[in-house]
Parts: sequence; structure tokens; C-alpha cells
Amino acid sequence: EIVLTQSPGTLSLSPGETATLSCRASQSFSSSYLGWYQQRPGQAPRLLIYGASSRATGIPDRFSGSGSGTDFTLTISRLEPEDFAVYYCQQYGSSPVTFGQGTKLEIK
Amino acid sequence: EVRLVESGGGLVQPGRSLRLSCTSSGFTFGDYAMSWFRQAPGKGLEWVGFIRSKAYGGTTEYAASVKGTFTISRDDSKNIAYLQMNSLKSEDTAVYYCTRAKGYSDYWGQGTLVTVSS
Repeated sequence: EIVLTQSPGTLSLSPGETATLSCRASQSFSSSYLGWYQQRPGQAPRLLIYGASSRATGIPDRFSGSGSGTDFTLTISRLEPEDFAVYYCQQYGSSPVTFGQGTKLEIK
Repeated sequence: EVRLVESGGGLVQPGRSLRLSCTSSGFTFGDYAMSWFRQAPGKGLEWVGFIRSKAYGGTTEYAASVKGTFTISRDDSKNIAYLQMNSLKSEDTAVYYCTRAKGYSDYWGQGTLVTVSS
């Protein structure tokens, strides 16, 4: 099983700043199988990024993903109030599908 | 517009069964795999399992935590995916989400809450 570890657990920033979220895997896998999701309180998760760097439909270009091997990053530029939420990385290349434990992005 | 609506959640006693439904619209249901995930109160996301499209055999895969007790099926004529949950335990208490699966999950339902308690 591929274990994903996200850091930091909580990130406190102000609107307009840039957020950098990390996802590290216990073993290397193809970046084709790394996704990022946003979950706002009381809502279902929403796909942001798939294939490590491809934005999902309707996702603004403030959101970008990068990385390969075991280290992946989600960068959110020019933070908007609606961006403050919990973010999960997911690997879907091997069974079982696994998620990181999440990074909470909160308003400073 | 792609839409997924889960139903069938509720309060159930330990050891009992429950079947969740995921009614889909806005896309050709039979062309896609469908996944189920869950989220215990205040916790992160957990994959439950998925079912492939008939073109890929309609086969299923499950998380170790539910293998043997949960079963995923699909009715392509009705655009519905099902999650049959047997021998429920308190640790199965969670919001259950169905998703359209392309490896990643690009569309999610709103979720249905399952509470296992006596």
C-alpha cells in the first residue's frame, strides 16, 4: 500500500498570499496517478488536479500541481477567501487507492 | 450536467445491512467506472471500492477494511450504482460518497450519512 503523507497539517495564510502544500509518498509511482482534491466544510470533495499537474474542468489557473516520483506539490497563488479549506492528495495508480491525511488551509 | 445523488443512508444497528444507491445523470453511465468513498466524522477520506464498466468486465475491487462484507454493483439500464453493506459495525459510521471514476474521481455526489449504532 502506498502511504501518502501531507505537510504541513495546517497552513495559516492571508488572502492574496501563495500556499504551497506537500504530498510525499512511501514509494515512487507514476505522476500520472496523483490527484488533488479540495473539501470545504460540509461539502463533498472537489477534484482540482489529476495526473499531478492537469487542472480539472473549471479549476482556475491559480491552482497548479507539480512533482514526480515520491514528492508532489500543490501551489495555490493569490489566495481567495473561498480557497480556505482542506486539501487531500490521492494516488490512484495501485490498489488500494489511498489519500493523504489532509492539509487544512486556514485564514491567518 | 453530470449529477450523482446518493441515497439509502440512515441509522442502522450493528450487525445489520444497508444498501446505498447512487443515481447518475448527465453522462453515459455505462461507459464509466464508479467508485465509493467514505469519511468518518471529523476524519479524512477513505476509499471503499469501485466497479469497472462492462467494457472492462464490470469487475470490482475493495479496500481490505470492507472486503467480504461490502459489495458494489451496477445497473446500467437504470444508471445506478449500489453499495451493499452487510454486518455493519460502529466503525462503518461515515458519510458515503459515490463518484464517477477515471482513476481519479472527477464528479462526486453530495454524500449520504450512515450511522451504525444501537
